[in-house]
Amino acid sequence: GQQVMQIPQYQHVQEGEDFTTYCNSSTTLSNIQWYKQRPGGHPVFLIQLVKSGEVKKQKRLTFQFGEAKKNSSLHITATQTTDVGTYFCAGTAGGTSYGKLTFGQGTILTVHP
Amino acid sequence: DAMVIQNPRYQVTQFGKPVTLSCSQTLNHNVMYWYQQKSSQAPKLLFHYYDKDFNNEADTPDNFQSRRPNTSFCFLDIRSPGLGDAAMYLCATSRGGSGWAYEQYFGPGTRLTVT
Repeated sequence: GQQVMQIPQYQHVQEGEDFTTYCNSSTTLSNIQWYKQRPGGHPVFLIQLVKSGEVKKQKRLTFQFGEAKKNSSLHITATQTTDVGTYFCAGTAGGTSYGKLTFGQGTILTVHP
Repeated sequence: DAMVIQNPRYQVTQFGKPVTLSCSQTLNHNVMYWYQQKSSQAPKLLFHYYDKDFNNEADTPDNFQSRRPNTSFCFLDIRSPGLGDAAMYLCATSRGGSGWAYEQYFGPGTRLTVT
C-alpha cells in the first residue's frame, strides 16, 4: 500500500534558526496536505498543494511539492517558540475514494528560546 | 463557530468493558473520520463515512465499530477494549468529493485509558 515517509523524526533548533521537514511518497500523489499538531492538541490544517512543482508561502512557512508529485517539504524561516509542535504531511493517491489521507510519521519540532 | 466536538475528552474504561466515544459537527460536512493516535505517532485511520456509506480500513480490528445516525453525529464503539487500545481517538470531518481530498477539521480528541 501507499507509504509516506517523513524526516527527520525530531528537530531541535534555537529560536531564529531555520527548520525544514521532508516528505516522500512511494507512489505519485494527487495532492498533499500539511498539518500542525501542538503538544496536547489536535492536528490543524495548514495548506494543500496540488500542482507539480507548486510552491506556496504563509508568512515564514514555505511549502513545496515536487515535480514528480512524490515529495514535499515545509521550510520555516527564523523559527519562533510558537512554532513548537509536530508537523505532519498527508498525501492522497490518485483514485483514492473520498480523499483518504496517508499521514507521514511527523517531525517533532522543539524551539529553544 | 462551526466546529467538531468530541465527548468525553477523557474516558477511563476497564479491560473488556464496552465503551462509546461520540463526535458531533456543525460544519455540515459529508465525510466523517475516526483516527487512532498513539503517543508520538501519526493518526491512523480506522474508518470513515461518506454520508451514510461506511468505509472500513482493512487493518481495523473487528473490535472497533462505528455508527452515523445522521449528518451531525458519529460514534465509535469499542466492544472489548484491550490495553493496546489505550490512545487518543480523533474525529475529523471534511467536505466530500470522489477522489479528491479536502482539508480535514479535527476535533480535540478523546483520550482513552484502559485499566
